[in-house]
Amino acid sequence: EVQLVESGGGLVQPGASLRLSCEASGLSVNNYWMSWVRQAPEKGLEWVASLKQEGGEKYYVDSVKGRFTISRDNAKSSLFLQLNSLRAEDSAVYYCVGGRGLAYWGQGTLVTVSS
Amino acid sequence: DVVMTQSPLSLPVTLGQPASISCRSSQSLVHSDGNTYLHWFQQRPGQSPRRLIYRVSNRESGVPDRFSGSGSGTDFTLKISRVEAEDVGVYYCMQATHWPPWTFGQGTKVEIK
Repeated sequence: EVQLVESGGGLVQPGASLRLSCEASGLSVNNYWMSWVRQAPEKGLEWVASLKQEGGEKYYVDSVKGRFTISRDNAKSSLFLQLNSLRAEDSAVYYCVGGRGLAYWGQGTLVTVSS
Repeated sequence: DVVMTQSPLSLPVTLGQPASISCRSSQSLVHSDGNTYLHWFQQRPGQSPRRLIYRVSNRESGVPDRFSGSGSGTDFTLKISRVEAEDVGVYYCMQATHWPPWTFGQGTKVEIK
């Protein structure tokens, strides 16, 4: 059974940084496309970033390019999302998602950016 | 970017009655490899999304057969043959043919009348 467990969310001020983590079991983060998808309060789903399993190419939605960085640690079977220069509009639940077709979802971690 | 448009955005249904959600894309979702990467997700209240249907019409393991997906090109449909109480939630279509970005529809909220 695949399990993805996110952590690292919290309340921060605009301009601050956070690092989200996702611990995976039942799948290898090195062998699957891994992504982050976010959901602002009472809003829909928005793809944020993806990391290809071979080659390690990274892809980002335009609104986070240059501010967010997706990475993984194969030894720890973990996926990360470094969030810098946070803005109020980045406030959302961030889901760790496995598979190119977004087959496996974690429970999410809440990021709130507010002064 | 491919724009995904769902309708309706709100769908009140009577228990035991059918329901249908439309999803249209701004361009054809047929990939150069011949596949169509259009997926459907269900998000029940207070839960994470889960994938229900992948590549237009393939149900995930454990998904009841009252759920079905169909369509081609730019027009797709998710149908629930007989709505049950546990089907309440928001349904999203998503395209993974033309990326990045992967793009979702706005979501359709299914509720019981």
